[in-house]
Amino acid sequence: DTEVTQTPKHLVMGMTNKKSLKCEQHMGHRAMYWYKQKAKKPPELMFVYSYEKLSINESVPSRFSPECPNSSLLNLHLHALQPEDSALYLCASSQDGGVYNEQFFGPGTRLTVL
Amino acid sequence: GQNIDQPTEMTATEGAIVQINCTYQTSGFNGLFWYQQHAGEAPTFLSYNVLDGLEEKGRFSSFLSRSKGYSYLLLKELQMKDSASYLCAGADSNYQLIWGAGTKLIIKP
Repeated sequence: DTEVTQTPKHLVMGMTNKKSLKCEQHMGHRAMYWYKQKAKKPPELMFVYSYEKLSINESVPSRFSPECPNSSLLNLHLHALQPEDSALYLCASSQDGGVYNEQFFGPGTRLTVL
Repeated sequence: GQNIDQPTEMTATEGAIVQINCTYQTSGFNGLFWYQQHAGEAPTFLSYNVLDGLEEKGRFSSFLSRSKGYSYLLLKELQMKDSASYLCAGADSNYQLIWGAGTKLIIKP
């Protein structure tokens, strides 16, 4: 299994809602990533988990809260988002976040905040 | 600072060859990645270079010159399905990817 899966594919939420994005991989990878991508822009790194511990938080607002329940799962909890948070949210995984580690991306969740 | 530069858009003809250039500046260097991204889809890995020289993989090749901070992606025998954005990304000293803005490649019949 060389796939990273993400649910849901699309999400529309109001600014007062609470929702979660989910990501799963069964490649035995120990590093998992959340990226945000706006149209015609490159992915922006949000968070990195390495061996289930948060290793990088790129100054992301607290309305985004990551969680890594186990080595295969990664969640992104969303609360009180703003319309400018509308974007494609990509999850990726790599062997261990070190050298030669290509990142495998999931299909993304397209988020619209109304 | 850290920076990746690549052209915004390129156009090429089906069956031809195209070279997409990338220059990089990163804090430390742990390799250069190329990814392909079709509109509305996730990036997919194409190549990784950490040593100088050319890596060939089917119709796609990638070149790296560390002394010049320069890489290129060469696509041969272009097909319509190669129309996509091509993202160059450098791995810094923490192995984190510094992404370029992407080059949109348009293939014409």
